[in-house]
Amino acid sequence: NAGVMQNPRHLVRRRGQEARLRCSPMKGHSHVYWYRQLPEEGLKFMVYLQKENIIDESGMPKERFSAEFPKEGPSILRIQQVVRGDSAAYFCASSPQRGYEQFFGPGTRLTVL
Amino acid sequence: GQQVMQIPQYQHVQEGEDFTTYCNSSTTLSNIQWYKQRPGGHPVFLIQLVKSGEVKKQKRLTFQFGEAKKNSSLHITATQTTDVGTYFCAGIRIAGGTSYGKLTFGQGTILTVHP
Repeated sequence: NAGVMQNPRHLVRRRGQEARLRCSPMKGHSHVYWYRQLPEEGLKFMVYLQKENIIDESGMPKERFSAEFPKEGPSILRIQQVVRGDSAAYFCASSPQRGYEQFFGPGTRLTVL
Repeated sequence: GQQVMQIPQYQHVQEGEDFTTYCNSSTTLSNIQWYKQRPGGHPVFLIQLVKSGEVKKQKRLTFQFGEAKKNSSLHITATQTTDVGTYFCAGIRIAGGTSYGKLTFGQGTILTVHP
């Protein structure tokens, strides 16, 4: 059973470009969470999705950030018009049900030049 | 909103010494989870505590959940160099509402073990 998969593992973008981060949850998991982590800091919750629905997006910046988890295919975290402050590691996690342990992917390290 | 505070932020120990990290929530939790993240790696689930006053052990690791379900601790006995990493607690608020299931992470304790 493959774990949570994220791609790309490393992404470099210039200011103003778009970044698309993909996450495939573990098989059988329908709950997906996105977190952002700055160097030597904790994980900041961004958004919680369950197939085709956004359950909680209280951690998402109001502008430029969006997330989706379509019926088919991976969850996508999209950052439009990236700025240097968006540089961070973005982790995706999945769980089989609410409140259960979360399995994390390897993360996408985004660098904005 | 819910806040989870974790102390200390950094801890340096000599191999063989004990280590403890503490976690406090501003609100009562449904359960608390602990994760370990190795340098350059991703968080890995260690354990979940659900019951008030619960104590669980995993080899040299002892996890406690406070009676009021607002605080927790992780204690490592006789640290080894393989224990190096950042230890995070993460709380889930009381069940109910759209926020249930969302983990609120503490800032983490970065553990360095000197051989």
